[in-house]
Amino acid sequence: QQQVKQSPQSLIVQKGGISIINCAYENTAFDYFPWYQQFPGKGPALLIAIRPDVSEKKEGRFTISFNKSAKQFSLHIMDSQPGDSATYFCAASNGQNFVFGPGTRLSVLP
Amino acid sequence: DAGITQSPRHKVTETGTPVTLRCHQTENHRYMYWYRQDPGHGLRLIHYSYGVKDTDKGEVSDGYSVSRSKTEDFLLTLESATSSQTSVYFCAISVGQANQPQHFGDGTRLSIL
Repeated sequence: QQQVKQSPQSLIVQKGGISIINCAYENTAFDYFPWYQQFPGKGPALLIAIRPDVSEKKEGRFTISFNKSAKQFSLHIMDSQPGDSATYFCAASNGQNFVFGPGTRLSVLP
Repeated sequence: DAGITQSPRHKVTETGTPVTLRCHQTENHRYMYWYRQDPGHGLRLIHYSYGVKDTDKGEVSDGYSVSRSKTEDFLLTLESATSSQTSVYFCAISVGQANQPQHFGDGTRLSIL
């Protein structure tokens, strides 16, 4: 119940395209859903986060869509750029437990 | 930059030897965490701290111990390293909210032969 599933494992997108990464959870007590971006040789960096009282949150080219009934949330990267190439992790927290998904390696081709 | 420094950045050692990794933060944040990152597993919590001398176990704590004698330093010790502990180790802090790591160090790549 503490797991967060993430797909796809890897993703290749052309420059200017939309990158979509999906996550699913089981524990309905989770109430905080962040996304992290990690470049090689660096630690993860908090990118954007959402709470279940809203269905969407947008920051620049990055949008989280949240479906509470399906227990799913996704990250959309609009107008994807080569500089977005990184590994992306979703996570979920209920204040007591914080769980990461296994990660998605995104490659944006120039 | 949240002022998190991990040392060493790379280490190679032999099975059975003790290893200590250090995390140093410059902003006196209360909450600190140690994670390990392995392919296919994301990041898994080893230990965490809510303050000086206040630590607790995470999901994968077996074989690891921690200490926090000063707010700014959080040490992770492998008492007798095993090859299964070969990994990349990350320290993290959260600002104001427990169990929500926000800033990570750049990691320590540990290889145990």
